Amino acid sequence: AQKVTQAQTEISVVEKEDVTLDCVYETRDTTYYLFWYKQPPSGELVFLIRRNSFDEQNEISGRYSWNFQKSTSSFNFTITASQVVDSAVYFCALSEPPSNTGKLIFGQGTTLQVKP
Amino acid sequence: IAGITQAPTSQILAAGRRMTLRCTQDMRHNAMYWYRQDLGLGLRLIHYSNTAGTTGKGEVPDGYSVSRANTDDFPLTLASAVPSQTSVYFCASSHGGGPTDTQYFGPGTRLTVL
Repeated sequence: AQKVTQAQTEISVVEKEDVTLDCVYETRDTTYYLFWYKQPPSGELVFLIRRNSFDEQNEISGRYSWNFQKSTSSFNFTITASQVVDSAVYFCALSEPPSNTGKLIFGQGTTLQVKP
Repeated sequence: IAGITQAPTSQILAAGRRMTLRCTQDMRHNAMYWYRQDLGLGLRLIHYSNTAGTTGKGEVPDGYSVSRANTDDFPLTLASAVPSQTSVYFCASSHGGGPTDTQYFGPGTRLTVL
């Protein structure tokens, strides 16, 4: 069965600290796609990144970086020098080709609180 | 501003009542989706539509129905609401219906069934 696990329910850091959000996935397929979404207190979901299973290069976008490791089925997200505006719920999600629904399987989410 | 709109923003509903949540997108996306978000469970797919005129069931379809009469609109109907349907409902859309297409989400509807 396909599954996404975000073991960290809540994380609290002080501004300027680095923080890593963990994501572990389970899938039987060799081709799949991984996503991260941010849900700020306002409630909407904001797309952050999409990664396919054939591209294991790490991605960096400003203070955000993603580490994809197929060997450990992980797709972790690091925020460098965190800011209060980073406070949000972050979701990791998995999508697989065979379903043809574009179905996203979401993890439970990690609530990040960045304190000033 | 292009995007997805949902209505209402929030609603309190008596059990047994019928309710339709509205979703409209202006991005001319082919695929649309309805998810519900519950604490500790993340988001779960209720129904989807890969193109106008077609719909399919997601992970938790029971008690919900959808229709896709045109590209832009994808209403979600609760025929007879029950308290377990208390949740935040998100509509999403993507250009295609495949897994490579990024899904973009609406602002959500918070529904409380008493």
